[in-house]
Amino acid sequence: AQSVTQLGSHVSVSEGALVLLRCNYSSSVPPYLFWYVQYPNQGLQLLLKYTSAATLVKGINGFEAEFKKSETSFHLTKPSAHMSDAAEYFCAVNTDKLIFGTGTRLQVFP
Amino acid sequence: GAGVSQSPSNKVTEKGKDVELRCDPISGHTALYWYRQSLGQGLEFLIYFQGNSAPDKSGLPSDRFSAERTGGSVSTLTIQRTQQEDSAVYLCASSLGPGGQPQHFGDGTRLSIL
Repeated sequence: AQSVTQLGSHVSVSEGALVLLRCNYSSSVPPYLFWYVQYPNQGLQLLLKYTSAATLVKGINGFEAEFKKSETSFHLTKPSAHMSDAAEYFCAVNTDKLIFGTGTRLQVFP
Repeated sequence: GAGVSQSPSNKVTEKGKDVELRCDPISGHTALYWYRQSLGQGLEFLIYFQGNSAPDKSGLPSDRFSAERTGGSVSTLTIQRTQQEDSAVYLCASSLGPGGQPQHFGDGTRLSIL
């Protein structure tokens, strides 16, 4: 069965600092992987997706993620955090339905 | 509108009542999904439609939950005889198709059972 694990339910960074949100996947076949962001009282917004075309995937709002098969990882990064990045982030694997990780809440301090 | 639309945005009802939640997917999206988001359980898959058929309803928690989709478009999720543990945000998503297509989410219906 496919699954994802997000390490760290809360991450805090200073504005301008590097953001690193961790996601590891388990899959017996090449996976479709996604990162979604959720702002308070809103639905999920797609940040980026991995579909095997390239291992480094660029998304919206300056985020990117690198697929590393050897580490079964798909970590999300952003070089410089902005206050508006404060939200909850979900990693997911698609098996026709989305299987989500437990989410990481990102806080950004001024 | 261009996005997935869900109604109502908030619903408060008494235990034992039936509720209906509605989802209007993005035009042209053949696949439609329902998920539930709650504090204790995170984001859970409920049911998936391809057209009007539901090839996967494995996430429906009990026979009090049912869903239908008509005309390959609007879907309704019905919860009968609501219980307090049904309190959650119910999210609908649609995509061009299954198999890796990105899913686009509505803002959800926040259901509170008193």
